[in-house]
Amino acid sequence: QQQVKQSPQSLIVQKGGIPIINCAYENTAFDYFPWYQQFPGKGPALLIAIRPDVSEKKEGRFTISFNKSAKQFSLHIMDSQPGDSATYFCAASMKSGANNLFFGTGTRLTVIP
Amino acid sequence: DADVTQTPRNRITKTGKRIMLECSQTKGHDRMYWYRQDPGLGLRLIYYSFDVKDINKGEISDGYSVSRQAQAKFSLSLESAIPNQTALYFCATSERGNTGELFFGEGSRLTVL
Repeated sequence: QQQVKQSPQSLIVQKGGIPIINCAYENTAFDYFPWYQQFPGKGPALLIAIRPDVSEKKEGRFTISFNKSAKQFSLHIMDSQPGDSATYFCAASMKSGANNLFFGTGTRLTVIP
Repeated sequence: DADVTQTPRNRITKTGKRIMLECSQTKGHDRMYWYRQDPGLGLRLIYYSFDVKDINKGEISDGYSVSRQAQAKFSLSLESAIPNQTALYFCATSERGNTGELFFGEGSRLTVL
């Protein structure tokens, strides 16, 4: 049973567009929601993370929106660039623990020049 | 040099063979993990270790075993490989204290024929 459901599986946008990747969860004990970015041939790397006491977090062109009542969170990439082409994973954990980090199934993003 | 190093990076083997994937880290982290990545399934935790004397099963430990030889070394073994263990395997580390951030190696691609 997938603890964190992620959509879409793949996404293609034009340069400058705003891709949005969505994730949903059921376990209300989750209290830490990171996003990881993975380039081909590389391991995933932490991109940005949010805790449920805030509804939005921005870091550069990347924004997480968090809706606690709906148990959903999403990643927005402003002014997307070809270099943003990668696979993105959302995740969730309890007690902010990496040892019990549950990952979504991933979204392969392609940004066309 | 990479902080988290996995060997081998690619391996092709036959059903029934014993395989060991090795991971070493120079980050000085106490916690180490083995994940498996499959298309459409995301990243799933196989085993994790909080220190040399602490080994814990993850979500999909059946068919796998691990050994924490030292703080910096964590190996994953497939005692008798089967085709559905064909996947991309990642080692990761994290600091003590539940920071929630995982640091991944570059992966080991295993093909079982």
